[in-house]
This record gives sequence, structure tokens and C-alpha cells, in this order.
Amino acid sequence: EVQLVQSGAEVKKPGESLKISCKTSGYSFTTYWIGWVRQLPGKGLEWMGIIYPGDSDTRYGPSFQGQVTISADKSISTAFLQWSSLKASDTAMYYCARRAYNYGPTGYYYYMDVWGKGTTVTVSS
Amino acid sequence: SYELAQPPSVSVSAGQTASITCSGDKLGDKYVCWYQQKPGQSPVVVIYQNNKRPSGIPERFSGSNSGNTATLTISGTQAMDEADYYCQAWDSNTGVFGTGTKVTVL
Repeated sequence: EVQLVQSGAEVKKPGESLKISCKTSGYSFTTYWIGWVRQLPGKGLEWMGIIYPGDSDTRYGPSFQGQVTISADKSISTAFLQWSSLKASDTAMYYCARRAYNYGPTGYYYYMDVWGKGTTVTVSS
Repeated sequence: SYELAQPPSVSVSAGQTASITCSGDKLGDKYVCWYQQKPGQSPVVVIYQNNKRPSGIPERFSGSNSGNTATLTISGTQAMDEADYYCQAWDSNTGVFGTGTKVTVL
């Protein structure tokens, strides 16, 4: 069974750093992209970025480039999302999800087929 | 950057059909998937590749995509279908979510 297990809830102060994790199991970690999604309180889903653990190729959504760092450690089948200096506006739920893929009539198609349960991050002074 | 627009809310009587639209420039040229999110839960994919249902998703969920609009249709809507729904498409290896639609079953 494919599983993505995220690290526990975090409470931090503005300016602090943070690294949250997404430990995967049940499949070959290096052959699927892993994405991160933000959900602000009471709001919709926002695409943060995605990493291919096989070669650490990483892409960021326009709003998140330079704001966060996505990484992966193949030795422990785990993806990470980190901040160097948190802001109150980073308070949100963060999900990791595996990107499934296949080839259709007009090219590759993708979808997030397995999701973690989310990590709540609260930033408050 | 690419944007996908959805109506904020859709109301439907139990047993009737709910249609949720997702609009974006030349969206029909891309593959679209749809997620269902219930309160306090992680999203679940209900449609991928425009109109395919993952195993375990009821047949009442269907999808289409043409021109600038993709549509998620829930036929014979049940109370358990009350949730938020998000479309998603990919633009240059970047995933873009729609603005989300809250479906209320009356």
C-alpha cells in the first residue's frame, strides 16, 4: 500500500526556520514526483511545487519561488518542505502528494493520486 | 501565470445532477483532473485525464473537457457528495488548481 506520512503539527514564531517532512512507502520513491500543496485557513488549494527524487529536479509555483525550499532524501524515501524565516502568513495546512502519470492520446497526463494527511503550521508571536 | 476559475458554490437537491465548471485559456488542450475535499480531510481525486474515474469512485461522477471549459458532473447527487471540489491542470510542469467550488446538497 502506498503511504505518505507527514510530520506533526508545528507552532513557531515569526522569523524562525522550519522543515517539515513527508515519508513515503509502498512504491519506488525515485520514480514519482512528489508535490506540496498549501491550504490557508478556510481557503482553497494552492500549488507550491514539486520534486523528482530521482535527480532532485524541482519546480516551484510562481508565488512560492524563493519563499520555500523543496528537497528529498532518497536514502529515507522522504520529501521535505522548508522555510528559512517564517511569517504569520505562512500559517496553513500543508499537504504532500504523489503525482501519478501516464501517456494519453495527446501527451502525458498527471494527477495527485495519494495524499498525506497534512501538517498544520502555526506561526504566531 | 495560468489561472483556472470555478463558481464559488453550487447547490443541488438530493438525487439531482450537479455540474461544476472550470474555465481556463485553451483548457481543452490540457488534461484536467478533479479533487473532492471534505472538511478536515485530505483531497481525493475523483476524475483524472478529463473523464476517467479511479477505482472506488462511484459512477455518478463524470467529467468532460472542451474549448475553455472542463465540467465535473455528479449525477444522482447524494448527501455524502457535499464537499469542496477543485479542478487541476498542468502548465509547464506546474500544477494549477482551480479556485474551488463548494457543493451543497439540499
